[in-house]
Amino acid sequence: DAKTTQPTSMDCAEGRAANLPCNHSTISGNEYVYWYRQIHSQGPQYIIHGLKNNETNEMASLIITEDRKSSTLILPHATLRDTAVYYCIVSDNYGQNFVFGPGTRLSVLP
Amino acid sequence: EAGVAQSPRYKIIEKRQSVAFWCNPISGHATLYWYQQILGQGPKLLIQFQNNGVVDDSQLPKDRFSAERLKGVDSTLKIQPAKLEDSAVYLCASSPDYGGYEQYFGPGTRLTVT
Repeated sequence: DAKTTQPTSMDCAEGRAANLPCNHSTISGNEYVYWYRQIHSQGPQYIIHGLKNNETNEMASLIITEDRKSSTLILPHATLRDTAVYYCIVSDNYGQNFVFGPGTRLSVLP
Repeated sequence: EAGVAQSPRYKIIEKRQSVAFWCNPISGHATLYWYQQILGQGPKLLIQFQNNGVVDDSQLPKDRFSAERLKGVDSTLKIQPAKLEDSAVYLCASSPDYGGYEQYFGPGTRLTVT
């Protein structure tokens, strides 16, 4: 079973920031938080991952709470192309227990 | 660079028939994964290879599913005999290191068992 819980769905207005939460209260010290997304009829796409510190890349930012029990993926300026299912996954650096849950279906609205 | 290639993209078979899927990972990627994604669910790992050795096949239904990765490159996943509940998208992914992050996924093969 997935070690994370996410809301089933969220809406976001185009051009606004999309903040996707994830709870992982049983995360272990050596486990990372990974985010992937899956656009309709495509394979999942890696977005970002982190251990303790906040991370940012060209796609998104990842904010991890100090106790590491939850995190938020931020898409700073959502576009219609960001409409997808977003998966939060907790796993060690060897891919152990790399389990996709049902994810959050994000709809970016014009 | 070229992405993960899978074929066929779509397959329709009758129950009790056999089917095979093919995957060509990104060149140089040591780790290859096969996932099953049932409609409305997240992908479920079936088997993971490191080069041509199996790392994890704990969720592979071995009575009907088999997979091989010859010479540590291409891989095939076979189902024999197929059941109705095998209807799903079969995704192949590869990654450059033995690790869970930054897996690169192919487009998948949509299997319908009638």
